[in-house]
Amino acid sequence: DAGITQSPRHKVTETGTPVTLRCHQTENHRYMYWYRQDPGHGLRLIHYSYGVKDTDKGEVSDGYSVSRSKTEDFLLTLESATSSQTSVYFCAISESSGTGNTEAFFGQGTRLTVV
Amino acid sequence: AQSVSQHNHHVILSEAASLELGCNYSYGGTVNLFWYVQYPGQHLQLLLKYFSGDPLVKGIKGFEAEFIKSKFSFNLRKPSVQWSDTAEYFCAACMDSNYQLIWGAGTKLIIKP
Repeated sequence: DAGITQSPRHKVTETGTPVTLRCHQTENHRYMYWYRQDPGHGLRLIHYSYGVKDTDKGEVSDGYSVSRSKTEDFLLTLESATSSQTSVYFCAISESSGTGNTEAFFGQGTRLTVV
Repeated sequence: AQSVSQHNHHVILSEAASLELGCNYSYGGTVNLFWYVQYPGQHLQLLLKYFSGDPLVKGIKGFEAEFIKSKFSFNLRKPSVQWSDTAEYFCAACMDSNYQLIWGAGTKLIIKP
C-alpha cells in the first residue's frame, strides 16, 4: 500500500470554526489532491498541488484553502466550517500529472461532521 | 457538461452470481477510463484502467471491463462474485487535457453469502 496518512480520521466541529486536515505521504510523489465524497456525487476535486508551494483549485474549492510547504505534507483548511462541508475527505497522490493520466493512490479518508 | 453516470446505486447479489455494473460518460473525444473500488473501512484502490488499445481490459481479482466507444460505456464485469467483493465501486473518466478525473456517484455492491 502507498504510504498516505490522513489525520484526523474523524472530527466533529462547530459551525464557524476553522478546521485543518492533514495529508502526509512517504512516496515522494509530486502531485497531491484533496477530494470530498458525498452520497450521490462520487468524488469531487477541491484543490490539488503540483509541487511545493504550487497549488490550484478544483471544481468545489469555495470555502477551502490548501498549503504545501513540504513535498510530503498537503494541508486542507476549512476557513469557517459550514454544515454543507460535512463530508468524507480523501487525499490522493500521483507520480505524474493528473489523476486521469495515471494511477492515483488514496488515503483512508477523514470523516468530518460540522454541527 | 462532462459527466459520468453509474446506473445502479445499490446492487445485491448472491455468491457465484455474475456481475455487471454500468458506467456511461458524456464526451465525444478521447477518454481515459477507470474503475476504483473501496472495500469497507479501506481506501480507494484501482481495479483497472483503459487508455487505448484492446477495449477489453482485465484488472485485479478477476474483474474486467469493456470500452464500447459507440455507446460511451465502460461496464465492469465479473463472471462469479464472492462475498469478499462487497464494496463500493466507482467509475471515473478523464475527458479533458487537464487530466483530472470526473467521478461517477458509485455503486454499493453487497454479496450475500
